[in-house]
Amino acid sequence: DAGVIQSPRHEVTEMGQEVTLRCKPISGHNSLFWYRQTMMRGLELLIYFNNNVPIDDSGMPEDRFSAKMPNASFSTLKIQPSEPRDSAVYFCASSLGSGGATDTQYFGPGTRLTVL
Amino acid sequence: QKEVEQNSGPLSVPEGAIASLNCTYSDRGSQSFFWYRQYSGKSPELIMFIYSNGDKEDGRFTAQLNKASQYVSLLIRDSQPSDSATYLCADSGYSTLTFGKGTMLLVSP
Repeated sequence: DAGVIQSPRHEVTEMGQEVTLRCKPISGHNSLFWYRQTMMRGLELLIYFNNNVPIDDSGMPEDRFSAKMPNASFSTLKIQPSEPRDSAVYFCASSLGSGGATDTQYFGPGTRLTVL
Repeated sequence: QKEVEQNSGPLSVPEGAIASLNCTYSDRGSQSFFWYRQYSGKSPELIMFIYSNGDKEDGRFTAQLNKASQYVSLLIRDSQPSDSATYLCADSGYSTLTFGKGTMLLVSP
């Protein structure tokens, strides 16, 4: 079984450019999560979708960040314009249920973003 | 705002010893917790979750939850060098996880 798929695995861009990160969740999973990981702040939830609908976007840092889930098998996280402080590893995770107390999240390999 | 606190480490143990990893949490109403392992440069992978007070065992791993003290721990018996990684504790809310920053474990041969 394929796990969560993310692309690209590495992205280097210049400040001000648009960056789009992509995620394909595990087939049959109903919830999708976007996280950002840095040494300083650890692993932070950015946004959570259930059945393709954004449920909680309180972790999205600012208007420069946006996320979409047009169908059950694809999601994007876009940063426009990008800034050096956006440099981090971005993980996508999916889970079978609605994110309840025992609903296991499975993580993709991550995208390492560097903004110069 | 939920908070999960972990000692960043590193925690160094010799091969074959018991490694004890701990976290504390802020939300007294929290019901369940996950432990994930993350190797350097890799993504978090699930070790186990615990839902009720007491102990839960899975192979060499034992998770312990003490709701009165708001304390969660993970014991790794017979530690192996391959267990060297960062261990993340997460508070499972109604629909999302709040992670601690993780404890780095180093197991020396």
